[in-house]
Amino acid sequence: EVQLVQSGAEVKKPGESLKISCQGSGYNFSIYWIAWVRQMPGKGLEWMGTMYPGDSEARYSPAFQGQVTISADKSISTAYLQWRSLQASDTAIYYCGRQSMFSSALDYWGQGALVTVSS
Amino acid sequence: EIVLTQSPGTLSLSPGERATLSCRTSQSISSSFLAWYQQRPGQAPRLLIYGTYSRATGIPDRFSGSGSVTDFTLTISRLEPEDFAVYFCQHYGSSGITFGPGTKVDI
Repeated sequence: EVQLVQSGAEVKKPGESLKISCQGSGYNFSIYWIAWVRQMPGKGLEWMGTMYPGDSEARYSPAFQGQVTISADKSISTAYLQWRSLQASDTAIYYCGRQSMFSSALDYWGQGALVTVSS
Repeated sequence: EIVLTQSPGTLSLSPGERATLSCRTSQSISSSFLAWYQQRPGQAPRLLIYGTYSRATGIPDRFSGSGSVTDFTLTISRLEPEDFAVYFCQHYGSSGITFGPGTKVDI
């Protein structure tokens, strides 16, 4: 069974750094792109970027380029989303999703990780 | 950048009724890369339809997708109580992934 399991909820202060994770199982993690999607409170879905774990190639949405870093460790089937300096506006739920090889739709999703940034 | 517009913003219906949700793209797109997702409150999105027409694994046949060029539709033939949720369309293209703003289907 394909699963994406994300790390837990985080509460951080502005200016702090953070790295959240998404571990895949039940499939060959290296050969499927993994996308990160933001959902701010009560809002829609925003694509942040996508990574190919096989060679760590990353593509970013212009809106998030330079704001976050996407990485992966294929040896432990885990993708990461990282911030160097959080802001209150980063408060949101962050989802990872596996991108289908055939349609590029996100066919499996993690459960989401709530990040709260507050002083 | 391709922009996706969904209508209506909210659709108020009753169980057993038919729901028709629209997604329009700002440019012509390949139907191969248009998908629909359902998001229930407090849950992660779930893939319903990919490639405009194809149902994802485990999706009941009351969900169907259609469309081409710039106009795409998700139809729920007979609403079940669990179908009251928010629905997002999504496109994958050369500049990445774009989501529509969503349509809320409520009672």
